[in-house]
Amino acid sequence: TQLLEQSPQFLSIQEGENLTVYCNSSSVFSSLQWYRQEPGEGPVLLVTVVTGGEVKKLKRLTFQFGDARKDSSLHITAAQTGDTGLYLCAGGGSSGSARQLTFGSGTQLTVLP
Amino acid sequence: EAGVAQSPRYKIIEKRQSVAFWCNPISGHATLYWYQQILGQGPKLLIQFQNNGVVDDSQLPKDRFSAERLKGVDSTLKIQPAKLEDSAVYLCASSPGQLFTDTQYFGPGTRLTVL
Repeated sequence: TQLLEQSPQFLSIQEGENLTVYCNSSSVFSSLQWYRQEPGEGPVLLVTVVTGGEVKKLKRLTFQFGDARKDSSLHITAAQTGDTGLYLCAGGGSSGSARQLTFGSGTQLTVLP
Repeated sequence: EAGVAQSPRYKIIEKRQSVAFWCNPISGHATLYWYQQILGQGPKLLIQFQNNGVVDDSQLPKDRFSAERLKGVDSTLKIQPAKLEDSAVYLCASSPGQLFTDTQYFGPGTRLTVL
Protein backbone atom coordinates (compact mmCIF):
# COMPACT_ATOMS: atom_id res chain seq x y z
CA THR A 1 0.00 0.00 0.00
CA GLN A 2 1.39 3.35 -1.05
CA LEU A 3 1.09 5.89 1.74
CA LEU A 4 1.14 9.65 1.51
CA GLU A 5 2.08 11.24 4.82
CA GLN A 6 1.11 14.83 5.39
CA SER A 7 2.57 17.14 8.00
CA PRO A 8 1.73 18.82 10.17
CA GLN A 9 -1.59 17.16 10.92
CA PHE A 10 -2.95 20.37 12.50
CA LEU A 11 -1.79 23.97 12.05
CA SER A 12 -3.22 27.10 13.64
CA ILE A 13 -1.80 30.47 12.67
CA GLN A 14 -2.67 34.16 12.73
CA GLU A 15 -3.90 35.97 9.65
CA GLY A 16 -0.98 37.41 7.69
CA GLU A 17 1.51 34.68 8.59
CA ASN A 18 3.19 32.37 6.09
CA LEU A 19 3.04 28.59 6.27
CA THR A 20 4.20 25.44 4.52
CA VAL A 21 2.61 22.00 4.61
CA TYR A 22 4.26 18.84 3.35
CA CYS A 23 3.28 15.65 1.58
CA ASN A 24 5.79 12.78 1.55
CA SER A 25 5.88 9.23 0.25
CA SER A 26 8.33 6.42 -0.33
CA SER A 27 6.65 5.80 -3.69
CA VAL A 28 7.14 7.63 -6.96
CA PHE A 29 4.02 9.20 -8.41
CA SER A 30 3.34 10.27 -11.98
CA SER A 31 1.38 13.24 -10.73
CA LEU A 32 0.32 14.86 -7.53
CA GLN A 33 -2.77 16.91 -6.78
CA TRP A 34 -3.67 19.24 -3.92
CA TYR A 35 -7.25 19.67 -2.74
CA ARG A 36 -8.94 21.87 -0.14
CA GLN A 37 -11.96 20.55 1.74
CA GLU A 38 -14.27 22.70 3.86
CA PRO A 39 -16.63 21.30 6.52
CA GLY A 40 -19.67 19.60 5.02
CA GLU A 41 -18.28 19.78 1.49
CA GLY A 42 -16.31 17.57 -0.83
CA PRO A 43 -12.66 18.26 -1.72
CA VAL A 44 -12.02 20.88 -4.42
CA LEU A 45 -9.00 20.54 -6.70
CA LEU A 46 -6.44 23.33 -6.37
CA VAL A 47 -3.63 22.15 -8.64
CA THR A 48 -2.08 19.20 -10.45
CA VAL A 49 1.71 18.87 -10.81
CA VAL A 50 3.21 16.28 -13.12
CA THR A 51 6.90 17.09 -13.63
CA GLY A 52 9.64 16.55 -11.04
CA GLY A 53 10.78 19.91 -9.71
CA GLU A 54 7.70 21.66 -11.06
CA VAL A 55 6.51 24.79 -9.26
CA LYS A 56 3.02 26.20 -9.73
CA LYS A 57 1.56 29.37 -8.25
CA LEU A 58 -2.09 30.09 -7.59
CA LYS A 59 -2.34 33.63 -6.20
CA ARG A 60 -0.84 33.33 -2.68
CA LEU A 61 -0.40 29.56 -2.90
CA THR A 62 2.82 27.99 -4.23
CA PHE A 63 2.96 24.26 -4.97
CA GLN A 64 6.15 22.31 -5.58
CA PHE A 65 6.66 18.73 -6.76
CA GLY A 66 9.89 17.13 -5.58
CA ASP A 67 12.62 16.30 -8.08
CA ALA A 68 12.18 12.58 -7.43
CA ARG A 69 8.36 12.87 -7.61
CA LYS A 70 7.99 11.41 -4.11
CA ASP A 71 7.09 14.56 -2.22
CA SER A 72 5.37 17.89 -2.53
CA SER A 73 4.86 21.07 -0.56
CA LEU A 74 2.26 23.79 -0.39
CA HIS A 75 3.31 27.26 0.75
CA ILE A 76 0.77 29.95 1.59
CA THR A 77 1.90 33.55 1.82
CA ALA A 78 0.04 36.02 4.05
CA ALA A 79 -2.67 33.56 5.08
CA GLN A 80 -6.26 34.76 5.24
CA THR A 81 -9.19 33.41 7.26
CA GLY A 82 -10.67 32.13 4.00
CA ASP A 83 -7.73 29.75 3.67
CA THR A 84 -9.06 27.72 6.61
CA GLY A 85 -9.77 24.14 5.63
CA LEU A 86 -8.43 20.61 5.26
CA TYR A 87 -5.62 20.43 2.71
CA LEU A 88 -5.27 17.03 1.05
CA CYS A 89 -2.58 15.79 -1.29
CA ALA A 90 -3.32 12.93 -3.66
CA GLY A 91 -0.85 10.98 -5.77
CA GLY A 92 -1.66 9.20 -8.99
CA GLY A 93 0.07 6.69 -11.18
CA SER A 94 2.25 4.92 -8.65
CA SER A 95 3.46 1.44 -9.51
CA GLY A 96 0.94 -0.25 -7.23
CA SER A 97 -2.11 1.78 -8.14
CA ALA A 98 -1.76 2.98 -11.67
CA ARG A 99 -5.32 4.11 -12.22
CA GLN A 100 -6.43 5.58 -8.93
CA LEU A 101 -5.58 8.45 -6.65
CA THR A 102 -4.09 7.79 -3.23
CA PHE A 103 -4.99 10.50 -0.72
CA GLY A 104 -3.00 11.62 2.29
CA SER A 105 -4.73 12.13 5.63
CA GLY A 106 -4.61 15.89 5.32
CA THR A 107 -3.46 18.99 7.16
CA GLN A 108 -6.20 20.86 9.03
CA LEU A 109 -5.37 24.56 8.74
CA THR A 110 -7.04 27.19 10.90
CA VAL A 111 -6.30 30.84 10.20
CA LEU A 112 -7.30 33.08 13.08
CA PRO A 113 -8.35 36.71 12.58
CA GLU B 1 -23.30 24.06 -14.48
CA ALA B 2 -24.83 21.94 -11.72
CA GLY B 3 -22.41 20.06 -9.50
CA VAL B 4 -22.46 16.51 -8.23
CA ALA B 5 -25.60 15.85 -6.20
CA GLN B 6 -25.79 13.37 -3.34
CA SER B 7 -28.58 12.28 -1.04
CA PRO B 8 -29.28 11.94 1.74
CA ARG B 9 -26.82 14.35 3.36
CA TYR B 10 -27.03 12.61 6.74
CA LYS B 11 -28.09 9.14 7.81
CA ILE B 12 -28.14 7.49 11.22
CA ILE B 13 -28.77 3.74 11.44
CA GLU B 14 -28.18 0.92 13.85
CA LYS B 15 -25.64 -1.80 13.16
CA ARG B 16 -26.86 -4.65 11.00
CA GLN B 17 -29.35 -2.38 9.23
CA SER B 18 -29.14 -1.56 5.52
CA VAL B 19 -28.57 1.82 3.92
CA ALA B 20 -28.35 3.22 0.40
CA PHE B 21 -26.79 6.39 -0.96
CA TRP B 22 -27.56 8.07 -4.25
CA CYS B 23 -25.34 10.13 -6.56
CA ASN B 24 -26.13 12.18 -9.66
CA PRO B 25 -22.91 13.17 -11.45
CA ILE B 26 -22.24 16.20 -13.59
CA SER B 27 -24.01 15.84 -16.92
CA GLY B 28 -21.81 14.22 -19.54
CA HIS B 29 -19.19 12.90 -17.13
CA ALA B 30 -18.33 9.32 -18.06
CA THR B 31 -16.44 8.40 -14.90
CA LEU B 32 -17.99 8.14 -11.44
CA TYR B 33 -16.21 7.37 -8.17
CA TRP B 34 -17.36 6.45 -4.68
CA TYR B 35 -14.98 7.25 -1.81
CA GLN B 36 -15.15 6.54 1.91
CA GLN B 37 -13.69 9.23 4.19
CA ILE B 38 -13.34 8.23 7.83
CA LEU B 39 -12.94 11.09 10.30
CA GLY B 40 -9.33 12.29 10.37
CA GLN B 41 -8.38 10.48 7.17
CA GLY B 42 -8.29 11.23 3.48
CA PRO B 43 -10.80 9.75 1.05
CA LYS B 44 -10.32 6.09 0.10
CA LEU B 45 -11.57 4.88 -3.26
CA LEU B 46 -14.26 2.21 -3.03
CA ILE B 47 -15.28 1.83 -6.67
CA GLN B 48 -14.77 3.51 -10.05
CA PHE B 49 -17.24 3.30 -12.94
CA GLN B 50 -16.60 4.16 -16.58
CA ASN B 51 -20.07 4.72 -18.04
CA ASN B 52 -21.96 1.75 -16.53
CA GLY B 53 -18.99 -0.61 -16.29
CA VAL B 54 -16.77 -1.16 -13.24
CA VAL B 55 -13.14 -0.11 -13.76
CA ASP B 56 -11.82 -0.72 -10.23
CA ASP B 57 -13.56 -2.19 -7.18
CA SER B 58 -10.51 -3.70 -5.54
CA GLN B 59 -11.08 -1.85 -2.24
CA LEU B 60 -14.83 -2.40 -2.03
CA PRO B 61 -15.78 -4.81 0.82
CA LYS B 62 -17.93 -6.93 -1.43
CA ASP B 63 -19.40 -9.02 1.38
CA ARG B 64 -21.43 -6.02 2.53
CA PHE B 65 -21.03 -3.20 0.00
CA SER B 66 -22.53 -3.08 -3.48
CA ALA B 67 -22.79 -0.35 -6.09
CA GLU B 68 -24.41 0.06 -9.45
CA ARG B 69 -24.57 2.70 -12.13
CA LEU B 70 -27.58 2.06 -14.29
CA LYS B 71 -27.63 3.59 -17.78
CA GLY B 72 -24.24 5.18 -17.09
CA VAL B 73 -25.66 8.15 -15.20
CA ASP B 74 -26.90 7.97 -11.59
CA SER B 75 -25.33 5.59 -9.11
CA THR B 76 -26.30 3.98 -5.82
CA LEU B 77 -24.03 2.60 -3.11
CA LYS B 78 -25.54 0.13 -0.64
CA ILE B 79 -24.30 -1.29 2.64
CA GLN B 80 -25.96 -4.43 3.98
CA PRO B 81 -25.53 -5.11 6.87
CA ALA B 82 -23.81 -2.04 8.31
CA LYS B 83 -21.07 -2.27 10.92
CA LEU B 84 -19.90 0.33 13.41
CA GLU B 85 -16.69 0.87 11.43
CA ASP B 86 -18.72 1.96 8.39
CA SER B 87 -19.37 5.31 10.09
CA ALA B 88 -17.85 7.79 7.64
CA VAL B 89 -18.60 10.34 4.96
CA TYR B 90 -19.34 8.73 1.61
CA LEU B 91 -18.23 10.97 -1.24
CA CYS B 92 -19.25 10.68 -4.87
CA ALA B 93 -17.11 12.28 -7.57
CA SER B 94 -17.35 12.49 -11.34
CA SER B 95 -14.87 13.23 -14.08
CA PRO B 96 -15.10 13.73 -17.83
CA GLY B 97 -12.21 11.29 -18.37
CA GLN B 98 -10.85 8.24 -16.59
CA LEU B 99 -7.25 9.30 -16.07
CA PHE B 100 -6.17 10.11 -12.52
CA THR B 101 -4.90 13.45 -13.86
CA ASP B 102 -8.40 14.40 -14.96
CA THR B 103 -10.16 16.73 -12.55
CA GLN B 104 -12.54 14.96 -10.21
CA TYR B 105 -15.53 16.98 -9.03
CA PHE B 106 -16.80 15.92 -5.63
CA GLY B 107 -20.28 16.07 -4.21
CA PRO B 108 -20.93 17.25 -0.63
CA GLY B 109 -21.04 13.69 0.69
CA THR B 110 -23.37 11.64 2.87
CA ARG B 111 -22.42 11.45 6.54
CA LEU B 112 -23.29 7.98 7.87
CA THR B 113 -23.41 7.24 11.59
CA VAL B 114 -23.80 3.60 12.62
CA LEU B 115 -24.88 3.12 16.23
